[in-house]
Amino acid sequence: AQTVTQSQPEMSVQEAETVTLSCTYDTSESNYYLFWYKQPPSRQMILVIRQEAYKQQNATENRFSVNFQKAAKSFSLKISDSQLGDTAMYFCAFRGDKVIFGPGTSLSVIP
Amino acid sequence: EAQVTQNPRYLITVTGKKLTVTCSQNMNHEYMSWYRQDPGLGLRQIYYSMNVEVTDKGDVPEGYKVSRKEKRNFPLILESPSPNQTSLYFCASSPIWDRVSEQYFGPGTRLTVT
Repeated sequence: AQTVTQSQPEMSVQEAETVTLSCTYDTSESNYYLFWYKQPPSRQMILVIRQEAYKQQNATENRFSVNFQKAAKSFSLKISDSQLGDTAMYFCAFRGDKVIFGPGTSLSVIP
Repeated sequence: EAQVTQNPRYLITVTGKKLTVTCSQNMNHEYMSWYRQDPGLGLRQIYYSMNVEVTDKGDVPEGYKVSRKEKRNFPLILESPSPNQTSLYFCASSPIWDRVSEQYFGPGTRLTVT
């Protein structure tokens, strides 16, 4: 069965600094996608970035980038130049035959 | 505006009193899904639907029912709610069921069962 693990329940970062959130997953599938979602205090789920498993190149969206290591089944999210609005819960998600979410990492950006 | 709506947003009820949480999307999406979110567990899929009249169980379907009579609506039914169903519920939709499509989430429904 597929699993998604986020080993950091809580993290904090100073405004303007860089932070990396970790995610590991387990699957026997070869064709899948990985996602990072952001959930601010408003509870709305917002897609941050997605990565195709068969693409070597790491996805990037403005200040957000991923480090995708397929062999290690690792999919970390790097946030550069952290802003107060980045304070949120972040969920890593696997989408293959099924959709599996990790338990989340609560990120606080400190002024 | 393209969106997924859920009602009610907040609900407090008592054990055993049947309730329905509605979900509607205006994007003509084929795929719809229900999740529950609990601290330390992330989002877990309850039921999903690939199209009208096609529904299937997710990872935690016990105690829930769904129906998909129209493409835009996907209500979640709790026939006899229990306190362990106290949770934050999300409805989501995507154009089709595939691995790449982004899911669009509703605003969430906070349910408390006493």
